[in-house]
Amino acid sequence: SQQGEEDPQALSIQEGENATMNCSYKTSINNLQWYRQNSGRGLVHLILIRSNEREKHSGRLRVTLDTSKKSSSLLITASRAADTASYFCATDVQTQGGSEKLVFGKGTKLTVNP
Amino acid sequence: SQTIHQWPATLVQPVGSPLSLECTVEGTSNPNLYWYRQAAGRGLQLLFYSVGIGQISSEVPQNLSASRPQDRQFILSSKKLLLSDSGFYLCALAAIRAGVRQTTDTQYFGPGTRLTVL
Repeated sequence: SQQGEEDPQALSIQEGENATMNCSYKTSINNLQWYRQNSGRGLVHLILIRSNEREKHSGRLRVTLDTSKKSSSLLITASRAADTASYFCATDVQTQGGSEKLVFGKGTKLTVNP
Repeated sequence: SQTIHQWPATLVQPVGSPLSLECTVEGTSNPNLYWYRQAAGRGLQLLFYSVGIGQISSEVPQNLSASRPQDRQFILSSKKLLLSDSGFYLCALAAIRAGVRQTTDTQYFGPGTRLTVL
């Protein structure tokens, strides 16, 4: 199964509300990242949190990381219609060749209704 | 800053035809490069990654192949497309931090190619 899995799969909220998405993973990590994808577009990096960090903020985004539970959450405060997108978590996994790659979850589709 | 170009943006191909998708990057040297496929409404599946010219690692056995003829060029190919090859193909790069081992931080994605196989 996926290294990172987001839940819920879909989330619909009203503008101004907060949106919380969760990500669980299976193996130890160096960092965990969150990405956003607008429909039909490439992914855009939002925030990276390292394994020795517990919480990180960027504008209206707040990410937490609990390595003991192997989970992370992404909170978007005061949501806007423009936040409508799919959100993916990604964790680093070491390859057999010694480099690292990112493994993405299936994403949470967020709809913010005006 | 890094820029990633992908072309074509959209492609409709018949089953059994060949494929060549190109990705070129600017603004960085010796990046790790990645090809992902995203089926409709799904997450990203890593297909290939490359840590340098001529170095390709395959993640999923399939009828696709990849090549890296130049540091900033990454090509995805197929000799005969299948219906199941339809999807959204994304090229990405990661700038590498040197250290005890390579670590991967932020990945930057191209705009993608929408491939429909009929």
